[in-house]
Amino acid sequence: KAGVTQTPRYLIKTRGQQVTLSCSPISGHRSVSWYQQTPGQGLQFLFEYFSETQRNKGNFPGRFSGRQFSNSRSEMNVSTLELGDSALYLCASSLQGQGNTGELFFGEGSRLTVL
Amino acid sequence: GQQLNQSPQSMFIQEGEDVSMNCTSSSIFNTWLWYKQDPGEGPVLLIALYKAGELTSNGRLTAQFGITRKDSFLNISASIPSDVGIYFCAEKSGNTPLVFGKGTRLSVIA
Repeated sequence: KAGVTQTPRYLIKTRGQQVTLSCSPISGHRSVSWYQQTPGQGLQFLFEYFSETQRNKGNFPGRFSGRQFSNSRSEMNVSTLELGDSALYLCASSLQGQGNTGELFFGEGSRLTVL
Repeated sequence: GQQLNQSPQSMFIQEGEDVSMNCTSSSIFNTWLWYKQDPGEGPVLLIALYKAGELTSNGRLTAQFGITRKDSFLNISASIPSDVGIYFCAEKSGNTPLVFGKGTRLSVIA
């Protein structure tokens, strides 16, 4: 069974640009969550999507947005990039969503560097 | 917001030693989980705990859900080089998203 796939793995952007990251969950999983990982703050929750609906949203500015498609694939977008947005962005899928057991299956992440 | 304190932040140990790390919370939760992140990978679930007082083992790993429901510990016995990585505790209650600790970075010296 293929795991969670995230693309791109690495990218470099400059301040003010925007970026779109993609996540394909494990086949059959309907929930996709996004986390931002930085050395100082650990893993911070961005949002969760379940069956194309945003179920939960973390404490991030409106520049961070996401969506989920009918095939459960998800994208997140960050507009007007700032230096502080440099981080590893992790996508995680689960069968029924975070309201269940809490078991998440993570991808390898997309490492974003903002110059 | 929820506060999760994970300690220690980092550890350097000799191969074969036992390791202990813990997490404490300011709130009561229903679920404690422990994840491990290998270098260049995403976190992987090691152990999940669902009841206060629960003690669960997974090979050389043992974790417990504290009686007060505000803390948990993870022990690794007889460490080996592949134990290197970042260990995260995480907690949840109801339909709220997982909240992660800031991690314990483990280095094993052969």
